[in-house]
Amino acid sequence: SQQGEEDPQALSIQEGENATMNCSYKTSINNLQWYRQNSGRGLVHLILIRSNEREKHSGRLRVTLDTSKKSSSLLITASRAADTASYFCATDEYQKGAQKLVFGQGTRLTINP
Amino acid sequence: DGGITQSPKYLFRKEGQNVTLSCEQNLNHDAMYWYRQDPGQGLRLIYYSQIVNDFQKGDIAEGYSVSREKKESFPLTVTSAQKNPTAFYLCASSIGTGAGFTDTQYFGPGTRLTVL
Repeated sequence: SQQGEEDPQALSIQEGENATMNCSYKTSINNLQWYRQNSGRGLVHLILIRSNEREKHSGRLRVTLDTSKKSSSLLITASRAADTASYFCATDEYQKGAQKLVFGQGTRLTINP
Repeated sequence: DGGITQSPKYLFRKEGQNVTLSCEQNLNHDAMYWYRQDPGQGLRLIYYSQIVNDFQKGDIAEGYSVSREKKESFPLTVTSAQKNPTAFYLCASSIGTGAGFTDTQYFGPGTRLTVL
C-alpha cells in the first residue's frame, strides 16, 4: 500500500535557493514524518509533525501540514550541496490490527554549486 | 545511521541459495523492522517485530523469514522462494511505545543484495 506521494519526483536547484517538496496522503493520520536518504545509505529522520500541528521548524527545515487537504510540505531554506539527497514522507496507517509507517516514493533533490 | 548496524554491506547470492542479512541495534528499542527498496522507489515493509519472540508479516513477506530471539537482533533470511531478491534492504528500529508504528524509526546503513 502507498499512503504518501511526493511531488515533484525530482528537483534540481542552485545552491542558496529554497527547495520545496510536497506530500499528499489518502487517509486520516496521527502524524507525518519526513526522512532524508543519501545515495546508497539508510534513512535519517528529519522531523515529525502531529495531526494537530500546522507548522514545525527545525533549523533550515520548515514543515507544514494541512489535514483538510491531506497534504504536507517540506521547505529547505538556503540550500547547500550537502542537502543533495532523496526526501521521503511517511504516514501512519492502520492495517490488519496495527499501526504501520508507510513511505512515499520520494523526491530526489539535487543542489547545484 | 544511529546505533543500528547491518552486515554485510554487499551480498551476492546464487539462484537457489538462502542468505541471511544481519541487523543489530544497541538502542534498547523494542520494535524492529525490515524494508525493501528498489531503485528509485520508496520503502516496502517485509516483516516487523514489536517485541522479542514475536513478529508479523508486512506487505511483501513472501519469500522472506525472520526471527527475534534477542531484543537487539532481527536477522532476515531471503529464501530461494523469493523470485526477485535483488534490492537494497534496510533495517530499522523504534522505541515501540505500544502505539504501533507512529514513533520515529532509526535506520541502519543497508545491505545491497544482488542475485548472480
